[in-house]
Amino acid sequence: EIVLTQSPATLSLSPGERATLSCRASQSVSRYLVWYQQKPGQAPRLLIYDSSNRATGIPARFSGSGSGTDFTLTISSLEPEDFAVYYCQHRSSWPLSFGGGTTVEIK
Amino acid sequence: EVQLLESGGGVGQPGGSLRLSCAASGFTFSSYGMSWVRQAPGKGLEWVSAISGSGFNTNYADSVKGRFTISRDNSNNRLYLQMNSLRAEDTAVYYCAKVGRDNGDYWYFDLWGRGTLVTVSS
Repeated sequence: EIVLTQSPATLSLSPGERATLSCRASQSVSRYLVWYQQKPGQAPRLLIYDSSNRATGIPARFSGSGSGTDFTLTISSLEPEDFAVYYCQHRSSWPLSFGGGTTVEIK
Repeated sequence: EVQLLESGGGVGQPGGSLRLSCAASGFTFSSYGMSWVRQAPGKGLEWVSAISGSGFNTNYADSVKGRFTISRDNSNNRLYLQMNSLRAEDTAVYYCAKVGRDNGDYWYFDLWGRGTLVTVSS
C-alpha cells in the first residue's frame, strides 16, 4: 500500500500570498497524483489530475508539478475562497489512498 | 444536471448491516467507474471501494475487505455499498464519486455526491 504524506499540516498565509503544498509518496506513483480541495461541510472538489492537469473550471492560479515520489500544489496568489483543506490522492495502483491533508488558513 | 445523490445512511449497530445507495444522473453511468470514499468526523478522506463501469471489476480497502460489497445497477443508474459486520470505526460520511474519464482506469474523481452519514453505535 502506498502511503501519501502531506506537509505542512497547516499553512497560515494572507490573501495574495503564494501557497506551496507538498505530497510525498512512499514509493513511485509515476505522475498519477491528484489534488482536491475541500471546504467545511462540502464534498471534495477536483483541482489537478495526473500531477499537472487542471480540471475543468479550475483557475490558472492553481498548478501542480512533480513525478515519482515528490509532488507540489502551488496557489500563485491566494484568493479568499482558497482557504480550505487540500488532499492529494494517488491512482497508481490498488488500493488507492489519500494523504492526510493540508489546511490553508488565513493568517 | 450531472449529479450524484447518496442515501441509506443512519444509525447501525455494531455487528449490524446498512446498505448505501447512490443515484446518478446527467451522464452515461455505465461508461464510468465509480467509488465510495468516506470521511470520519473531523478526519481526512479514506478511499473505501471502487467498481468498473461494467461492474465486473471491484477493489476494496483492507479496512473493509470481507465486510463491505460494492455493486451497481447500470439499468437504473445506481451504485450501492452493502456494509456488514459494522464497527465503530466505520462511522463516517460516505461519498460516492465518479471517475474522471470514461472507459479506462482513470481513478480520480471529478464528481462527488453530498455524502450520507453512517453512525455505528449501540
